[in-house]
Parts: sequence; C-alpha cells; structure tokens
Amino acid sequence: EADIYQTPRYLVIGTGKKITLECSQTMGHDKMYWYQQDPGMELHLIHYSYGVNSTEKGDLSSESTVSRIRTEHFPLTLESARPSHTSQYLCASSGGRGRAYNSPLHFGNGTRLTVT
Amino acid sequence: GDSVTQMEGPVTLSEEAFLTINCTYTATGYPSLFWYVQYPGEGLQLLLKATKADDKGSNKGFEATYRKETTSFHLEKGSVQVSDSAVYFCALSPYSGGYQKVTFGIGTKLQVIP
Repeated sequence: EADIYQTPRYLVIGTGKKITLECSQTMGHDKMYWYQQDPGMELHLIHYSYGVNSTEKGDLSSESTVSRIRTEHFPLTLESARPSHTSQYLCASSGGRGRAYNSPLHFGNGTRLTVT
Repeated sequence: GDSVTQMEGPVTLSEEAFLTINCTYTATGYPSLFWYVQYPGEGLQLLLKATKADDKGSNKGFEATYRKETTSFHLEKGSVQVSDSAVYFCALSPYSGGYQKVTFGIGTKLQVIP
C-alpha cells in the first residue's frame, strides 16, 4: 500500500495552461523529491526539499517550481505547460534520523502528463 | 561525481531461468547501495539494499552483494517468474552526513515469458 500519494494519475492538458501536480505523504518524512522519468525509463531529479520552507533545484533543469509549506505536502507547479513537458513525474520521500544515506526512497505511483 | 552503470535491456528470459543484472558504481567513500523495482503503471519500490562492503541484501528470492573491490552490486535470482517482469534500477546514496542525493542507473527492463 502507498504511503505517498500523487494526483492526478493522468493529465492531458493544452499548451499554455497552468498545472499543479500534487504529492502528499503520511510518513512524516522530512526529505521529499520530484523526479522526471523519460520514456527510456531514466530518472532525473528536478527538485528536492529537506524540510519545511526548504527547496532546491535538482540535476535536470526544469521550468517547474515547488513549495514545501507543510511537511507532508510537496506540490509541483508548471506556470505554462508546453509539449516538451510531456513526461511521467514521480514524487518520493525519505526519512529516518541519523544516517540518512541508509534510508530508502518511497515513491508515489506517478503522474503521467501529456501536453497537447 | 557519483555514477551508476547498469546493463541495458531489455532482458528476456524464460520462466525458471537464472537472472543476473549487472551494476557497477563510482563513488567516493562508502555509499549505500539499492535495487528498486518498477512494475508497469507504478512508481519505484525498494527491492533490497546493502549499506557496507560484503553485505548481502535479499528479498523475494532476489539477492545482491556489495563488492567494494569490484565496485559492483549485481542483482541475481535463481528462478524467475512471469510476475518478476518489471524494470529494475540500481542506485547509490553517498555517505555525506545528513545530506542524501541518490544516483540511479538507467534501468533494465526484464520480461519473463512462460
């Protein structure tokens, strides 16, 4: 069962629209992440957060933005969607005190975005 | 920087065949190593992990041993089933105190045919 929830699962939207992809987790994890997964399956980190009011850009440049106002919630926003944003977006979280590098990531089921 | 090299797929096997998916890594220090599995239409889920040299992670019949001398973490299963068809990702998390930045391999698609 999933302790991290993403909505919507599928989204088809026209160019220029503003969209927000929702991600919530019930595990109390301090760290949260957004990955973009291309059709070739490779994962690219686009945003991460180490706690409330903390957000950082990842390895892959993205036109999206994120916010972290509450521990459990980490939404991703695209102000103006374009066809190049078509992809699968995966949200993840990790927790555990102390040795953070030992903690696995917990993933949501993803949002598949299509921009027409 | 850190990197993970994973064999490219797709890998197609008959049911009950032996599976090996190769994974090697480059990192400073002593990272933790993971295998994740992604079933169709789902996110990734942890399959197994190892946190220090010579550790063996195991789960659901899958095994992988942390080999520091060869910087490898190959995934094996003695007898695959159709239900094992999925994409498998090797990943590392470097030791860096409270900071955690995971590096993933490209993923290997496994198809098991009856």
